[in-house]
Amino acid sequence: EPEVTQTPSHQVTQMGQEVILRCVPISNHLYFYWYRQILGQKVEFLVSFYNNEISEKSEIFDDQFSVERPDGSNFTLKIRSTKLEDSAMYFCASSDREGGTGELFFGEGSRLTVL
Amino acid sequence: AQSVTQLGSHVSVSEGALVLLRCNYSSSVPPYLFWYVQYPNQGLQLLLKYTSAATLVKGINGFEAEFKKSETSFHLTKPSAHMSDAAEYFCAVSDRGFQKLVFGTGTRLLVSP
Repeated sequence: EPEVTQTPSHQVTQMGQEVILRCVPISNHLYFYWYRQILGQKVEFLVSFYNNEISEKSEIFDDQFSVERPDGSNFTLKIRSTKLEDSAMYFCASSDREGGTGELFFGEGSRLTVL
Repeated sequence: AQSVTQLGSHVSVSEGALVLLRCNYSSSVPPYLFWYVQYPNQGLQLLLKYTSAATLVKGINGFEAEFKKSETSFHLTKPSAHMSDAAEYFCAVSDRGFQKLVFGTGTRLLVSP
């Protein structure tokens, strides 16, 4: 069964360092998303991406964050200069259709710990 | 703005007992509502969704949920818990289908023999 895969599963980094989280969406999907969950808090929408550009982003997704699809298979989330409050589980998701009909398929998550 | 409240961060049941996980939503427009499950070391998996059709929605693994507009609720139930149901369950709401889901904080279901 096709699945969304994320790497790394866990990353520990020092505050101020750059981090790249990688996702391989399901191969025929065109819509991509990042969500995150700070420990004990809600899963929060970060950004949606379609046709090589951001469709929508939340207020959390500030200038420290960026996304790109560098090739035909990967979808990455970059945090330019990590802060302690960036420590969270980051979930990638993909869909083959927009809006109400396209089910989101989530990856297992990448846990980021910022020291 | 939309929001979801899940009552109870942990729910414990015995195997064979009724499972009831509570979710109340807030939305200014007719909502789309979802339940996701996360098993240990796995991603979020869609259990079921409400998209303004039937108010009683059946999902995978014997789960179902009922949309009650008057109570702004979308509680998840299963008549008989199984050990394999132990997981984290998330309720989510959206005003645009699967785009930009707003999640609750999750409820961890514990099933004892």
